[in-house]
Amino acid sequence: ELKVEQNPLFLSMQEGKNYTIYCNYSTTSDRLYWYRQDPGKSLESLFVLLSNGAVKQEGRLMASLDTKARLSTLHITAAVHDLSATYFCAVRDSGTYKYIFGTGTRLKVLA
Amino acid sequence: EAGVVQSPRYKIIEKKQPVAFWCNPISGHNTLYWYRQNLGQGPELLIRYENEEAVDDSQLPKDRFSAERLKGVDSTLKIQPAELGDSAVYLCASSYPLRGSQETQYFGPGTRLLVL
Repeated sequence: ELKVEQNPLFLSMQEGKNYTIYCNYSTTSDRLYWYRQDPGKSLESLFVLLSNGAVKQEGRLMASLDTKARLSTLHITAAVHDLSATYFCAVRDSGTYKYIFGTGTRLKVLA
Repeated sequence: EAGVVQSPRYKIIEKKQPVAFWCNPISGHNTLYWYRQNLGQGPELLIRYENEEAVDDSQLPKDRFSAERLKGVDSTLKIQPAELGDSAVYLCASSYPLRGSQETQYFGPGTRLLVL
C-alpha cells in the first residue's frame, strides 16, 4: 500500500527564517505534487516534480525530488506571514495511477 | 478560465437522509476526481473518471455511495443513507493530460457536509 508521510505535521516559525518540510513515500511514483491549502479553502497546486533531481522554485518556496530516496522537500526561504497555510504533498502511484496525499504540514509564520 | 465549480458549498442533514453533490469541471478536462477530506487530514480519493468511465472506484464505499458522470462532463456524488462519519469536505478536481506529463489537478472549493 502506498503511504505518504510528511514531517513535521505542525511548524511555527519566525518571519525571516528558513525551514524545510519533508515528504516520504513508500512505493514507486512517477510524479509528485505540492499543494497549498488556506483555512476553509480548496487546494492550490504549487509544483509538479517528475524526475529524479528535479528542482522547482517559485518565490520563497523551492521543491526538490529524490526518487531514489523516495523523498521530496519543500524549502521555505525567509518566511513571511502570507506563507501561513497547510502544505500537502501528493504522489501518483506509477502502477495504479492512484493519487495519495500526505497528512499535511500546518505552517504558521509569526510576525 | 472558469475553475472547477461545486455545489452546494455547505450542507447540513440528519443521519439516514440522502445527499447529493454536483461538480462541473474545467472545460476540456477529461479526468474528474472526487475526494473526501476529513478535518486535519489530506484528501482521500473516492473515485476517478476518464471521460464518462469510472476507472478507479476502489475507495468508494459502494453500499451507500454512488457517482455518475453522464456525457463525460458534469458529475454527481450521492450518499444514501448518510452516516455521522460521512461529515467531511467533499472535493472535486479535474485534469487534462499535458505534454511532458505536467498534468496537474485543479480543485474546486468543496462541499462541506455535516451529518447530525
